[in-house]
Amino acid sequence: EIVLTQSPATLSLSPGERATLSCRASQSVSSYLAWYQQKPDQAPRLLFYDASNRATGIPARFSGSGSGTDFTLTVSSLEPEDFAFYYCQQRINWPPTFGGGTKVEIK
Amino acid sequence: EVQLVEAGGGLIQPGGSLRLSCAASGFTFSSSWMHWVRQAPGKGLVWVSSIDSDGGATTYADSVKGRFTISRDNAKNTLYLQMNSLRAEDTAVYYCGRAWSGTYYMDVWGKGTTVTVSS
Repeated sequence: EIVLTQSPATLSLSPGERATLSCRASQSVSSYLAWYQQKPDQAPRLLFYDASNRATGIPARFSGSGSGTDFTLTVSSLEPEDFAFYYCQQRINWPPTFGGGTKVEIK
Repeated sequence: EVQLVEAGGGLIQPGGSLRLSCAASGFTFSSSWMHWVRQAPGKGLVWVSSIDSDGGATTYADSVKGRFTISRDNAKNTLYLQMNSLRAEDTAVYYCGRAWSGTYYMDVWGKGTTVTVSS
């Protein structure tokens, strides 16, 4: 099973600041990695598929990058609605696995 | 509007059974792979099970294999998860989701239904 490790566990930032979230895989997942956003008491929302492809309706301030074992989700300038949990997921190997998540909180 | 609505969660004693359902609307359900994912209280997301578009292929996480059964009724646009021999560690919010382009990614999610296994 591929283990995805997300860091940091918590990111404390102010609106307008840049957020950089990391997801590291225990073995190569090529580009087969997705990012999701989850707000409290809501279902997750797909942000990116295959590392860098923005899903429908996702604002341009979000960007995804990486391949192999190291991936990054960047929010160029945090809006109030961006404070949430973020999860990565790989699909190259069965079973599909998620990272433990990063909480982006208001500083 | 593309929508998934789960139902069937509740409080159940260890060893008991529950059947979750997920009603789909706004898209061609019969053409879509579907997934179940769960989230224990305060924890992250964990994939549970998947089914192909006609129900002929299913996969399960090792933690639920032999206890849970995923199925679908394309005539009713509904996905199911039959959960037997429930354990405390099955306590979670269960989400159904539509597979993005036939993959294990999920591009449409329901709001979830809560399953609590406790005596």
